Formats: sequence, C-alpha cells, structure tokens
Amino acid sequence: AQSVTQPDIHITVSEGASLELRCNYSYGATPYLFWYVQSPGQGLQLLLKYFSGDTLVQGIKGFEAEFKRSQSSFNLRKPSVHWSDAAEYFCAVGAESGAGSYQLTFGKGTKLSVIP
Amino acid sequence: NAGVTQTPKFRILKIGQSMTLQCAQDMNHNYMYWYRQDPGMGLKLIYYSVGAGITDKGEVPNGYNVSRSTTEDFPLRLELAAPSQTSVYFCASSHGPPGRSYEQYFGPGTRLTVT
Repeated sequence: AQSVTQPDIHITVSEGASLELRCNYSYGATPYLFWYVQSPGQGLQLLLKYFSGDTLVQGIKGFEAEFKRSQSSFNLRKPSVHWSDAAEYFCAVGAESGAGSYQLTFGKGTKLSVIP
Repeated sequence: NAGVTQTPKFRILKIGQSMTLQCAQDMNHNYMYWYRQDPGMGLKLIYYSVGAGITDKGEVPNGYNVSRSTTEDFPLRLELAAPSQTSVYFCASSHGPPGRSYEQYFGPGTRLTVT
C-alpha cells in the first residue's frame, strides 16, 4: 500500500520569503499526486496535481510543485509568500490498492504560519 | 453551484446519542466520500460511494453507517456516539474514482464533540 510523508509539521516563514513544503511518497510506480490547502475553518481546496507529462506543475495562487521520481518526492514551492497563504497544506497520493481499485491517501499535513 | 454542502456546522452529542450528518452536492458527481480529520493525523476515509445505492468501507468505518439513495445526498449516521468520534467530518465528491486524476471537492466540515 502507498504511504505519504510530510516531514514538517509546522513551518514559519516571513512574508515575501520563498517557501518549500516537502512531500515524500512510497509506491512502486508513478502515483497520482496532489496538493490541497485548508484555510482555517474551511474544507480542502486543490492547489495542483500531477499524473503525467511535465514534472513541474503550476497550480493556483502562484504555487508550483515538482515531481522527482528518483527521490519519490513532490515538493510544493512558492517564490514569495503572502500572509493569506497561512493555512494547512496536505499532500495526497493516489495509487492502485489492489484488484484494479485505487485509493487516495493523505499526508498528515504541514501547517504554515506567515509572519509580517 | 453551491458545490458540496454539509449540515450542521457544529454539534455536541452526549455519549450514546445518535445523529446524522448531512451532505449534498449539486455537481452530479457519482463519487462521494466521508472523511474524519483529527489534529496531526490528516484525513482518514470513513466510507465512500460510487453511485446511488452503492457504498463501501474506507479505512475507519467502525461506529458509522452511510446510505446513498440519490446522486446528490450522502448522509453519515453515528450510532451510539463515543468520545473517540470527536472530530471534524468532511464530505467530498468527485467526478471520477478516488486515487486517479480526479479532484475531490470538499464541504466546509462538521465539528462534532462527544462528551
């Protein structure tokens, strides 16, 4: 079965600084990869996804992520963080779980705080 | 489109009580899901449905029941509430199957406390 690891529970960055959130997965083939964002008191919203093609994907709100097969990683980046980016970020992996069925597994999340 | 809606937003239950969390979507999605979110634990899938009349267990189904009589609605039933069911519950839907390339659309959540 696949697994997802987000090594950083909480990250604090200054407004205007760059951001990288880490995501590593365990799966034998190339999975479907997603980043979701959850603002306080809200549901999750998709930022971007990857399932084939260019390994650098662009998402909403100025975010991008790069799939690196050799490192089993799908890190999320943003060149300049805004105060409104303070939220919790979830990496998710979709992969075959057996007998032709697929499942989506979420990481435990990284909480981002932004200081002025 | 309202997207995915959930009611209630908040609820406090006493141990042993029962309740139904409501979820509806207006995107004509076949796939619907119930997750629970506990602090530091991410989202865990409780139940999901691939269409009206078809449901299946997820990772943490014990203590919950679901039904899917229409495409739009996917209620989650808690029988005999226990403190371990204190959590935030999210309903989601998608156009295609889970774990593939399809985005899941989430409702705003229901915060449930069992005391």
